[in-house]
Amino acid sequence: DSGVTQTPKHLITATGQRVTLRCSPRSGDLSVYWYQQSLDQGLQFLIQYYNGEERAKGNILERFSAQQFPDLHSELNLSSLELGDSALYFCASSPQGQGAYEQYFGPGTRLTVT
Amino acid sequence: SQQGEEDPQALSIQEGENATMNCSYKTSINNLQWYRQNSGRGLVHLILIRSNEREKHSGRLRVTLDTSKKSSSLLITASRAADTASYFCATDGSSNTGKLIFGQGTTLQVKP
Repeated sequence: DSGVTQTPKHLITATGQRVTLRCSPRSGDLSVYWYQQSLDQGLQFLIQYYNGEERAKGNILERFSAQQFPDLHSELNLSSLELGDSALYFCASSPQGQGAYEQYFGPGTRLTVT
Repeated sequence: SQQGEEDPQALSIQEGENATMNCSYKTSINNLQWYRQNSGRGLVHLILIRSNEREKHSGRLRVTLDTSKKSSSLLITASRAADTASYFCATDGSSNTGKLIFGQGTTLQVKP
């Protein structure tokens, strides 16, 4: 158990809908990262938050947004969903914001868009 | 596009044998990390090697880094069936953020 929790574990929704994925980092970790894993794209970095502020942005679509709250939990919002958004979405956390630290991954949310 | 490329894509060995996976990357880095993923589950950190290090050990794992060739290798010695998983290298692309760029991974099967 990494100490990172993600809810829900599974999500099935229809195209055009909007969903929210939730992540609670390990106690004491200030950075939260979101990654998308799909068969065709592999593991892709989406976005990083550090202590409530956006720190780095990757291949995140404009239909996707995220935020980190004062209690450090984070939410990833996916809207106008398309079939191609079906994937595993991972949240990870680390103590600080730089790459010199290992990241602790949650179990993931499997999103299926039908 | 992903920075890391891993070789081989799939590897099947017998228990007790050694497994070697290679990773190549395109840009300069500060650190390189290896992660393991059991089928459909979250990634687990294995080892981090800094750009000024050439080799690092952790239990049955040995990682090497050659920054001149922009490549790294992960050696698992005396493999066990429980080592069956996908293995990914990840680099920070010399950024000062925590962003990780993952390779496509090597799927390792260890037969009992």
